[in-house]
Amino acid sequence: DAKTTQPPSMDCAEGRAANLPCNHSTISGNEYVYWYRQIHSQGPQYIIHGLKNNETNEMASLIITEDRKSSTLILPHATLRDTAVYYCIVRVANQAGTALIFGKGTTLSVSS
Amino acid sequence: DTAVSQTPKYLVTQMGNDKSIKCEQNLGHDTMYWYKQDSKKFLKIMFSYNNKELIINETVPNRFSPKSPDKAHLNLHINSLELGDSAVYFCASSQSGTGGNTQYFGPGTRLTVL
Repeated sequence: DAKTTQPPSMDCAEGRAANLPCNHSTISGNEYVYWYRQIHSQGPQYIIHGLKNNETNEMASLIITEDRKSSTLILPHATLRDTAVYYCIVRVANQAGTALIFGKGTTLSVSS
Repeated sequence: DTAVSQTPKYLVTQMGNDKSIKCEQNLGHDTMYWYKQDSKKFLKIMFSYNNKELIINETVPNRFSPKSPDKAHLNLHINSLELGDSAVYFCASSQSGTGGNTQYFGPGTRLTVL
């Protein structure tokens, strides 16, 4: 079972920031927080991951609370192409072959 | 260049047939996976291989047999196909090591069993 809780759906206006929350209150000390998205039945696309510190890349920013029990994925300027299902996943990063356990994710709808 | 590729993209077949789906990655990764996404859109791990050795084998019927001829390929062979096997199958790969193990997915193979 997924160890994360996400809202089932969110809406965002094009050009605005999309803030997607995730609760992972039972996260272990050696587990990372990963974010993936799936656009219309394409293969899941890696977005970002982090352990303790906030992270930023060309796609998004990841804010992890100090107690690591929750995090927020931020898409700074959402576009229509960001409409997708977003998955927050916790997993141990250093064990070869460990699976991603996908939950139901958050369906983000970006509209003009 | 496609990092993780799968063939075929679509596969329509009759019940009882045997079929294979091929997966190749050109990322130089040492670990490969198969996931299944059913009609309810749940994505679940089926198998993972690290350096050609089986790491994960979830409760998948033994009609499903993964084969890894080398680190760049992980093929999925399915015997005696059933209606319930209809799904989208995704291959993924990752490189083991500290702080990483990020998985990269292929485009999927949509299997329809009639």
